[in-house]
Amino acid sequence: QQQVKQSPQSLIVQKGGIPIINCAYENTAFDYFPWYQQFPGKGPALLIAIRPDVSEKKEGRFTISFNKSAKQFSLHIMDSQPGDSATYFCASISYNFNKFYFGSGTKLNVKP
Amino acid sequence: DSGVTQTPKHLITATGQRVTLRCSPRSGDLSVYWYQQSLDQGLQFLIQYYNGEERAKGNILERFSAQQFPDLHSELNLSSLELGDSALYFCASSVGPGASSTNEKLFFGSGTQLSVL
Repeated sequence: QQQVKQSPQSLIVQKGGIPIINCAYENTAFDYFPWYQQFPGKGPALLIAIRPDVSEKKEGRFTISFNKSAKQFSLHIMDSQPGDSATYFCASISYNFNKFYFGSGTKLNVKP
Repeated sequence: DSGVTQTPKHLITATGQRVTLRCSPRSGDLSVYWYQQSLDQGLQFLIQYYNGEERAKGNILERFSAQQFPDLHSELNLSSLELGDSALYFCASSVGPGASSTNEKLFFGSGTQLSVL
């Protein structure tokens, strides 16, 4: 059973575009929702994270939108650059229950 | 550089064999997490240790085991290897046990690519 469903699997945008990656979760016990960025040959690195008590969080060009009632959250990358080309993973974490689940990943390609 | 060190970077072995993957967490981090990344399964959480004790268990097979030593480095042992065990194995570390009252950040190593032939 997939606890976190991520879409799309891959995404191609032009430089300056706004790619959007979506995730949906099942368990309402999750209380921390990070996004990780992974470049080829490297481990995932924390990009931005949100808690369910806020609906939006911005850090630079990256924004998380969170819809608690729909159990969905998404990553938006403003003014995307070729250097943003990477695989992005969402995650849902419940520290109280020691549960850590990652989405299946989205491979983003930003064309110059 | 995340500060998490994993060795070896690559490992090629045969079915039925046993291997050990090693992880050194960031200085000061007490938690170590192991993840398996395969093409069709994404990142799968295997197990977490905090200060030498097992804290959380995910989708870890009985053929797999892990431990965290007094110096906080961790080893993941994979035995009776099967073709399907071929994957990238990541170790991550964090400062604390992952309590919900803190903003725990996971720092990942570069992974060990295991190929079972």
